[in-house]
Amino acid sequence: QVHLVQSGVEVKKPGASMTVSCKASGYTFTSYGITWVRQAPGQGLEWMGWVSAYNGNTNYAQKLQGRVTMTTDTSTTTAYMELRSLRSDDTAVYYCAREGDYGDYNDYWGKGTTVTVSS
Amino acid sequence: EIVMTQSPATLSVSPGERATFSCRASQSVSNKLAWYQQKPGQAPRLLIYGASTRATGIPARFSGSGSGTEFTLTLSSLQSEDFAVYYCEQYDKWPYTFGQGTKLEIK
Repeated sequence: QVHLVQSGVEVKKPGASMTVSCKASGYTFTSYGITWVRQAPGQGLEWMGWVSAYNGNTNYAQKLQGRVTMTTDTSTTTAYMELRSLRSDDTAVYYCAREGDYGDYNDYWGKGTTVTVSS
Repeated sequence: EIVMTQSPATLSVSPGERATFSCRASQSVSNKLAWYQQKPGQAPRLLIYGASTRATGIPARFSGSGSGTEFTLTLSSLQSEDFAVYYCEQYDKWPYTFGQGTKLEIK
């Protein structure tokens, strides 16, 4: 049974950095990429980027380029998303999701990590 | 970047009736289109991938169609648990993008 367990609530000040983790289990970790999606309060879903758990290749949303880094640790089957220079509009629920068997859709999702950026 | 446009923003339908959601892509995404359902306080749930293939465990009352730039999600015989927000996502070209969502509410 596939599970993605995310790290807990974060409260950060503007300009700080944060790292959200996503512990995967129930499948062969290196066979599937991980996507990160965020959702600001009352808003829709925003695709942030993707990381290959096989070789670490990444693809990021252009608006986050330079501030975001997505990595994986195959020894602990955990994916990480670091976001730097936080702003108030980074306040959101951050989700990790596993890609599907037949394409880059997202078939399993973590429960989300709430991040609040406030002075 | 491919822009995904969903319509309508809100859909009011009575239980037992049919609901139809539209999703339009600003350029062709072939059949690389997924639909998700999201309820308040929950993560999205995959409903459809490949434009028309139901994900594991999704009831047959959910169906998807379309290709290229025009896609439709149909829910037949709505049940109380179907009232939620529905999103489409294209995964044909980086960066992948979501539509803004359609809220299905009880009429």
